[in-house]
Amino acid sequence: AQSVTQPDIHITVSEGASLELRCNYSYGATPYLFWYVQSPGQGLQLLLKYFSGDTLVQGIKGFEAEFKRSQSSFNLRKPSVHWSDAAEYFCAVGYSGGYQKVTFGTGTKLQVIP
Amino acid sequence: DVKVTQSSRYLVKRTGEKVFLECVQDMDHENMFWYRQDPGLGLRLIYFSYDVKMKEKGDIPEGYSVSREKKERFSLILESASTNQTSMYLCASGSRGAAGNTIYFGEGSWLTVV
Repeated sequence: AQSVTQPDIHITVSEGASLELRCNYSYGATPYLFWYVQSPGQGLQLLLKYFSGDTLVQGIKGFEAEFKRSQSSFNLRKPSVHWSDAAEYFCAVGYSGGYQKVTFGTGTKLQVIP
Repeated sequence: DVKVTQSSRYLVKRTGEKVFLECVQDMDHENMFWYRQDPGLGLRLIYFSYDVKMKEKGDIPEGYSVSREKKERFSLILESASTNQTSMYLCASGSRGAAGNTIYFGEGSWLTVV
């Protein structure tokens, strides 16, 4: 069965600093990978996704993620964090052949300090 | 824009009550999902449906049932609410096909069982 690990429960960065959120997955074949963001009290919004092609994926709000098969990772990055990026971020993996069954990580809560 | 609407944002129910959580999507999606979100546990799939009147158990179906009588509507039912079902419930929808298709989320329903 597929699984997703987000090793950092909570991260604090200064506004303007760079950000990298880690995500590792476990799945036998090529996965479909997603990053979602959740603002407090809200649902989840898709930031970006990967399922083939270029391993560096651009998303909304200036985020990008890189798929590294050799490391089973799909880390999310942003070169300069804004205070409005404070939220919880979820990495997720889907697999082919299923009815869009997607497994989510436990989330990383990002705090941005001025 | 895709819209997934959960009719109740905040509910307080008593132990033993029957609870209905309603979800409607406006994108003619075949697939609909109910997730439960708890701190430190991420999102866990309760049930999903890939067609009208069809349903599949997710990872934590115990204590829940679902109903899909119309394509756009997917209901989660707690037959006899218990305090351990206090949680945030997220409805989502997506189109049939590759697991790489995006899943879209509603705003969430906060349920407190007292």
